[in-house]
Amino acid sequence: DGGITQSPKYLFRKEGQNVTLSCEQNLNHDAMYWYRQDPGQGLRLIYYSQIVNDFQKGDIAEGYSVSREKKESFPLTVTSAQKNPTAFYLCASSIDRSYLAKNIQYFGAGTRLSVL
Amino acid sequence: AQSVSQHNHHVILSEAASLELGCNYSYGGTVNLFWYVQYPGQHLQLLLKYFSGDPLVKGIKGFEAEFIKSKFSFNLRKPSVQWSDTAEYFCAVNAQEGSARQLTFGSGTQLTVLP
Repeated sequence: DGGITQSPKYLFRKEGQNVTLSCEQNLNHDAMYWYRQDPGQGLRLIYYSQIVNDFQKGDIAEGYSVSREKKESFPLTVTSAQKNPTAFYLCASSIDRSYLAKNIQYFGAGTRLSVL
Repeated sequence: AQSVSQHNHHVILSEAASLELGCNYSYGGTVNLFWYVQYPGQHLQLLLKYFSGDPLVKGIKGFEAEFIKSKFSFNLRKPSVQWSDTAEYFCAVNAQEGSARQLTFGSGTQLTVLP
């Protein structure tokens, strides 16, 4: 059963705590993305990765970090520097970095992060 | 950088009514255009896309969209909506060249269809 798996579905963060959101894909896609979804603001790009061991900042990277040690995995860490982390986080992937502009992105089910 | 505007934040229709959701983008070059849909509790999924060719594109579930280059628009349409079309709809664009190749989303339109 191919797809993108995000975990956990719900996550709670305490003040000053770093939390990591998992994203795994078994679609053999080269490119992976992290978006933040807030009501009335659509999806905003946090980070993206076109290939293993390489990633680029998106529009709202401050307070977040990522790694891409394996093709299948692109975890997102929400650091304590992110002062407003409450949001719905979506991970996506697309097939081939050399055709990045036309690639259709496939999305996971999302992780809802709340601050305690 | 490109931007996308969806002017309708919430649309409420009765079943069988016709639907048109507006999407305008700003970018001077050649673009790819997408509509994504997020049904309640489900993954964001692709509804339809435009890369080139016929500006009228058809997607799943009877949806279609027309690319009007002169108006920088890519409006979504459906002749007769159903209760199951209740969802949030996102327009997205990316440039075909240069550094602005990231997918940029609009703010979304929540469609509620009343039975």
